[in-house]
Amino acid sequence: ELKVEQNPLFLSMQEGKNYTIYCNYSTTSDRLYWYRQDPGKSLESLFVLLSNGAVKQEGRLMASLDTKARLSTLHITAAVHDLSATYFCAVAGGAGANNLFFGTGTRLTVIP
Amino acid sequence: NAGVMQNPRHLVRRRGQEARLRCSPMKGHSHVYWYRQLPEEGLKFMVYLQKENIIDESGMPKERFSAEFPKEGPSILRIQQVVRGDSAAYFCASSPGGRETQYFGPGTRLLVL
Repeated sequence: ELKVEQNPLFLSMQEGKNYTIYCNYSTTSDRLYWYRQDPGKSLESLFVLLSNGAVKQEGRLMASLDTKARLSTLHITAAVHDLSATYFCAVAGGAGANNLFFGTGTRLTVIP
Repeated sequence: NAGVMQNPRHLVRRRGQEARLRCSPMKGHSHVYWYRQLPEEGLKFMVYLQKENIIDESGMPKERFSAEFPKEGPSILRIQQVVRGDSAAYFCASSPGGRETQYFGPGTRLLVL
């Protein structure tokens, strides 16, 4: 079974600082997603990465993918309080590569 | 365009009762997925369905759990004879095709007393 590991599990950072969340996965996949989840809420799709070297940016978040290393990163630039949430990476796999295998999540708290 | 809808949002059941969770996909989406999230954990895939067909149920427990997506109406996840370990948030997602971005519903939080 495809394994997805994220680190760190918990991240507390001050506003204005930069940080990176890492996502490693165990077997080849052609799609990797980043989702955001606020407490008690559903998951919001942030990025989908499809190819080696793919980089996508939205506001203060930037995601990249290295398929050879089976590694994706989510970089946070100049964090603000509104970014506080849990961030999940998810890798497509399973029969037909239709199912998503999720990491354990990174709970980000941005301190004013 | 309404998003993925799930109901109920919260469900309380006593051990041994049945739980029925409903999911209406986004308009134009014919692929539905169910995931379970235990407290402080990531989501775990349960089952993938298209209209009237179960495509992949490799994540479903072998007993007590079943899912359907009829030609008309919502997808249903059914849990018979619930136990405390079934307490979790159950999320449904839909996509227009099998290898496209999945959009998640608000979830049903099941509590088994």
